Amino acid sequence: IAGITQAPTSQILAAGRRMTLRCTQDMRHNAMYWYRQDLGLGLRLIHYSNTAGTTGKGEVPDGYSVSRANTDDFPLTLASAVPSQTSVYFCASSEDGSSYNEQFFGPGTRLTVL
Amino acid sequence: LAKTTQPISMDSYEGQEVNITCSHNNIATNDYITWYQQFPSQGPRFIIQGYKTKVTNEVASLFIPADRKSSTLSLPRVSLSDTAVYYCLVGDLRNNFNKFYFGSGTKLNVKP
Repeated sequence: IAGITQAPTSQILAAGRRMTLRCTQDMRHNAMYWYRQDLGLGLRLIHYSNTAGTTGKGEVPDGYSVSRANTDDFPLTLASAVPSQTSVYFCASSEDGSSYNEQFFGPGTRLTVL
Repeated sequence: LAKTTQPISMDSYEGQEVNITCSHNNIATNDYITWYQQFPSQGPRFIIQGYKTKVTNEVASLFIPADRKSSTLSLPRVSLSDTAVYYCLVGDLRNNFNKFYFGSGTKLNVKP
């Protein structure tokens, strides 16, 4: 079944540890995105990539890094996790980065940093 | 920046029509307006999209006035299963890349 998968589903992490959230899509979409969702704040864009090999910063990029080595994968790395990064993280993809393309979202990763 | 403003929450009863309005004063010429629906513990999913005037699909209608500074999502005859958060989304073009800004969302509570 085509779509987006994220791993892990949930994770509890000690502050200061490094963590990579995985995201894979099989729709051959060019654009991919990472959002975080916190209670009362809706969805905020962390990083995006309009095509393999390129990435860009969203609204809240500090403390996060991404890479886009190929079309399918878009991992999000927290180099040294802090409690304020406790959130639900959603990965999404779309055919390209234009505003008229529907974004498809993964099921999310719930991350708790202690 | 083409950011959006929506009511934080709305209440409705089953069978009623619900209208949720989103304000986007700085919408750019090439931007489309998209609405997403999100149920608890799930990622958002696409509902409807439009550029101007009116768009209708099997789920909802979207009304966009001529100045495009706002849009209204209309859900006909809502049911309990329509209880969700609804997001208004407008694309933001910068340096040939899009950065998408979700609004804070409107939490719709449908009562029996």
